[in-house]
Amino acid sequence: TQLLEQSPQFLSIQEGENLTVYCNSSSVFSSLQWYRQEPGEGPVLLVTVVTGGEVKKLKRLTFQFGDARKDSSLHITAAQPGDTGLYLCAGLSPSGSARQLTFGSGTQLTVLP
Amino acid sequence: SQTIHQWPATLVQPVGSPLSLECTVEGTSNPNLYWYRQAAGRGLQLLFYSVGIGQISSEVPQNLSASRPQDRQFILSSKKLLLSDSGFYLCACTGGFSGYTFGSGTRLTVV
Repeated sequence: TQLLEQSPQFLSIQEGENLTVYCNSSSVFSSLQWYRQEPGEGPVLLVTVVTGGEVKKLKRLTFQFGDARKDSSLHITAAQPGDTGLYLCAGLSPSGSARQLTFGSGTQLTVLP
Repeated sequence: SQTIHQWPATLVQPVGSPLSLECTVEGTSNPNLYWYRQAAGRGLQLLFYSVGIGQISSEVPQNLSASRPQDRQFILSSKKLLLSDSGFYLCACTGGFSGYTFGSGTRLTVV
């Protein structure tokens, strides 16, 4: 069974600070996705990273896929209260089965004004 | 683009009562469909997935069952709810490289 561990589990910071969320596994993934979820809603896809070492930027968010495709990080610069939410990483198995997406345990981010 | 309709948004049911949650998909055909359960502020646990009509795979033994009577319809059911069935249930479909599309979820409270 593939497992994805996210850290930290909870993060509370002041507006304007920077932060990094980590997603780690001992398994290799063909790609890794990051989702953001607000209370009472379903997760919404932010980005998909595919190539080992790949870096993608989405405004103030920077996503990186590890060289070995086993881990990923999400870095937010100058966090804003609107960034508050649950951030989930999810790894896509190389096996190609329908059961292939494994979710991390989530990081609850709170940005205080 | 794909859209998932999931209902109801919230549900309060007594222990021992039946359950039926429905999910329908628009904007795609022959999708892979999934039911997840999520504990508060935590990751998603896969309950069932389906690659086609009448094809259901169960991930964990539990008090729930799933059915797919039509290509774009996925139903989560229980004959008798337990207190431990309380949670936030999410339906999802595959979007290929663009990731999964999720419904807005159902908050189930068993009392």
